[in-house]
Amino acid sequence: NAGVTQTPKFQVLKTGQSMTLQCAQDMNHNSMYWYRQDPGMGLRLIYYSASEGTTDKGEVPNGYNVSRLNKREFSLRLESAAPSQTSVYFCASSGGNTQYFGPGTRLTVL
Amino acid sequence: AQSVTQLGSHVSVSEGALVLLRCNYSSSVPPYLFWYVQYPNQGLQLLLKYTSAATLVKGINGFEAEFKKSETSFHLTKPSAHMSDAAEYFCAVRNRDDKIIFGKGTRLHILP
Repeated sequence: NAGVTQTPKFQVLKTGQSMTLQCAQDMNHNSMYWYRQDPGMGLRLIYYSASEGTTDKGEVPNGYNVSRLNKREFSLRLESAAPSQTSVYFCASSGGNTQYFGPGTRLTVL
Repeated sequence: AQSVTQLGSHVSVSEGALVLLRCNYSSSVPPYLFWYVQYPNQGLQLLLKYTSAATLVKGINGFEAEFKKSETSFHLTKPSAHMSDAAEYFCAVRNRDDKIIFGKGTRLHILP
C-alpha cells in the first residue's frame, strides 16, 4: 500500500516548455486534489476532482489543466510554463474526512 | 466561505516548554478541522482532526487540540517541546464540497 505517489520528484523547465505531473493513489478514494505550496502562502488548491470524470477549479487554476484518467490517477499539466509556476506541487486524495498527501514535486521554471 | 487563520508565521519555544500554535476558523456550519505537520522536504502528515465528536482531540507525537466554538478556535498544544517537533504546522478546515482550505502555516522553532 503505497498511498499517494507523485512523479517526478524534481523538475527544471525553461519558460514556455510543457510538462505533466503524475499522481496516483491506491486507497480507492473518490476525491483527489492538486495544490501548490509557496513560502508564506500555505497550500493553495489548483484543481480538484470529486470522482472519476469530474474536475473543478480551485483557488489558482490559471496556467494549469488536469485529467482524471481513472479513479487512481490525477495528472496536472502545464502547457506553457512560466517562472511564476516555480513551486512545490502536492497531490492529495481524501477518504474518511482526511486528506493524504504525496511527497511533492519541486518544479523550477527558468 | 470557510477559512482558517493561523496567528504567527514563526513561533519559537525552548525545549521542554509548552507549545501553543493558534488557529481560528470561520465557518457557518459545524466545521471539520485539521492540523497537519510538514517536516523539511516532505509532504504533509495528519496530526489530528476534529469531526464534531469530543472537543479535545488527541493526535500523534503528544499533540492535542481543543475545539472551542465560543472562540471559533482550534489551537494546537503540546506540554513539552522536543527538538524533533521543529517543523511547519498547518491548520485546515473542510468545506461543504469536500475541499480543504489551509492556513498559511506556522513554522515552529525549538531552542536548545
